[in-house]
Amino acid sequence: AQSVAQPEDQVNVAEGNPLTVKCTYSVSGNPYLFWYVQYPNRGLQFLLKYITGDNLVKGSYGFEAEFNKSQTSFHLKKPSALVSDSALYFCAVRDRGTGGGNKLTFGTGTQLKVEL
Amino acid sequence: DAMVIQNPRYQVTQFGKPVTLSCSQTLNHNVMYWYQQKSSQAPKLLFHYYDKDFNNEADTPDNFQSRRPNTSFCFLDIRSPGLGDAAMYLCATSRFGADLNIQYFGAGTRLSVL
Repeated sequence: AQSVAQPEDQVNVAEGNPLTVKCTYSVSGNPYLFWYVQYPNRGLQFLLKYITGDNLVKGSYGFEAEFNKSQTSFHLKKPSALVSDSALYFCAVRDRGTGGGNKLTFGTGTQLKVEL
Repeated sequence: DAMVIQNPRYQVTQFGKPVTLSCSQTLNHNVMYWYQQKSSQAPKLLFHYYDKDFNNEADTPDNFQSRRPNTSFCFLDIRSPGLGDAAMYLCATSRFGADLNIQYFGAGTRLSVL
């Protein structure tokens, strides 16, 4: 079964500093990887995805992620953090389940806190 | 704007009293999903519809049922809610075909069981 791991429950960073939220994956075959963000009492919002192609993927709100096949990682990055980036971040992998849908298996989430 | 709408945002029910949560979408997506998310945990897929075809996850309790009367609407029925069913329930949609891998989520319904 496909899985992703987020080793950090929480990441703290000062506003203006670069941020990294880590994710590693375990899949058979080529991975389809995603990052979603969740603000309090809200649904998940899609940030970016890696399917194939360039290892550096650019997404919404200035976020990017680097796919590293040798390290089986897909870390989320942003060059300069904002207080408004504080939220819960989920890494996910697509699992081709039964039926026509695409099952997403999520990591346990990383709470990002950006402080002034 | 096209979107995924969940009603109500907050639902309180009594132990054992059936409850229905609703989801509608204006994206015209052919796949709709229901997830359960307990506090500060990852969302867990309960089931999904591909068009009218229902696909249940193996570990979804029988207490959870779903209906999709048309493309736009999908319902989650909890037949006899227990205290352990208190959670945020998320509806999501996706389009099989181009961009098929992105799921679009509603804001969720937070269910409390008294």
